[in-house]
Amino acid sequence: AQSVSQHNHHVILSEAASLELGCNYSYGGTVNLFWYVQYPGQHLQLLLKYFSGDPLVKGIKGFEAEFIKSKFSFNLRKPSVQWSDTAEYFCAVNAYSSASKIIFGSGTRLSIRP
Amino acid sequence: EAGVAQSPRYKIIEKRQSVAFWCNPISGHATLYWYQQILGQGPKLLIQFQNNGVVDDSQLPKDRFSAERLKGVDSTLKIQPAKLEDSAVYLCASSRRGVGNEQFFGPGTRLTVL
Repeated sequence: AQSVSQHNHHVILSEAASLELGCNYSYGGTVNLFWYVQYPGQHLQLLLKYFSGDPLVKGIKGFEAEFIKSKFSFNLRKPSVQWSDTAEYFCAVNAYSSASKIIFGSGTRLSIRP
Repeated sequence: EAGVAQSPRYKIIEKRQSVAFWCNPISGHATLYWYQQILGQGPKLLIQFQNNGVVDDSQLPKDRFSAERLKGVDSTLKIQPAKLEDSAVYLCASSRRGVGNEQFFGPGTRLTVL
């Protein structure tokens, strides 16, 4: 069965620090990968997604993620965080051969100190 | 375009009572999802509709949960009878067709079972 692991439950950074949030999944076949973000008081929204092609994917607000197939990872990065990046971040995986179900990780809460 | 609408936003009930949630997806979106998000966890898919047909309900506790999507537009999710462990946020999402397209989430309904 598919599963998604986000090992960092809560990350605290200062503004301008670099960010990397880990995401690992368990599934040996072709996958679609997503990062969703939930800002305080707002709905879940898509940050970026990977289906195929260039394993380095760029999303909104300066975020990017790299798909490393050999490591079953899809880590989220941002070179310089801002206070407004304070949010909860969810990694999600869809196994291409399944009945299109998305499995979400447990989320990482990011707090940025101004 | 108008977003995904959900009501009510909050609901408090006692165990063994019944409750129903309503979702109106974005116009033209064929696929509708109901998720359960327990505090500290990522969203878990309960049921996925494609138009008015069920694509996946493998994680829906069918002894107490039911959902329908009449006419392929809005949807209701019902719990009868509720248990303490049903306390969670119930999220509705929609997409144009299938998981490959971005899912747009509603604000959710926060259910507290006492």
